[in-house]
Amino acid sequence: GAVVSQHPSWVICKSGTSVKIECRSLDFQATTMFWYRQFPKQSLMLMATSNEGSKATYEQGVEKDKFLINHASLTLSTLTVTSAHPEDSSFYICSAREPGGTNSPLHFGNGTRLTVT
Amino acid sequence: GDSVTQMEGPVTLSEEAFLTINCTYTATGYPSLFWYVQYPGEGLQLLLKATKADDKGSNKGFEATYRKETTSFHLEKGSVQVSDSAVYFCALKRAAGNKLTFGGGTRVLVKP
Repeated sequence: GAVVSQHPSWVICKSGTSVKIECRSLDFQATTMFWYRQFPKQSLMLMATSNEGSKATYEQGVEKDKFLINHASLTLSTLTVTSAHPEDSSFYICSAREPGGTNSPLHFGNGTRLTVT
Repeated sequence: GDSVTQMEGPVTLSEEAFLTINCTYTATGYPSLFWYVQYPGEGLQLLLKATKADDKGSNKGFEATYRKETTSFHLEKGSVQVSDSAVYFCALKRAAGNKLTFGGGTRVLVKP
C-alpha cells in the first residue's frame, strides 16, 4: 500500500540552529501534504497545508518564517524549523493525500521527535 | 470552529474485554468522521470511517456509527486483543474541506 516516509525519526539540536524534516510519498504522487505538531498527551494540531509548486497555507498562529515549508516535487515536502528553541521541542507528523481530490486516502508518516537543548 | 472531543486515557483492559472509546464532535454541516490508530513506533493508520449520518464504519472487529442526533462517533470492539494496544484518534473532515481535525487521542492498553 501507499507509504509515507518521514526522516529523521528523531533529532536533537542546539538552541538557535535550524532543523529540516523530510516527508516523502514513496509510491504515489502527492499534490497535497500536511504538517502536524503533537504535544505530549495532546491532539495533532495542523500547522500548514503544503501544495506542490505553490506556497504553503499556514494555520492561524503558526509562524511561517519560523516553520518553512517547501513542496518542491510531487513526492517531497520539507519542514525546516529555523532558529529552534526549546519550546519548539515536539513531535512533528506529516501526511500526504493521494491524487483524486479532498476525499482521496490520506497517509501518515511515522513522525519526527524534535528535541531542542 | 470544528472540534473533536474524545475520552482521555489510558484505558486499560484485559484481553477479550469489550472496548468503547467515546467521541463527540462539533462542526457545521455534515462532516465525514474517522478513527485513526497509531501503534507503538508507527504512523497513524486509518481504521474506519463514515461519511453520512447512520453510516457504520467497520474494520478489524472495530465498529463506529455516525450519530448525527448526538454528534457522536463512538468506537467499539467486542473482544480486544493485546495487539489492539495503541493510541486511537477520532477525527472529522468537512465535506468540501481538505483538513482533518483530530481529537486528543486515547491510549488503550490490553493486558494478557
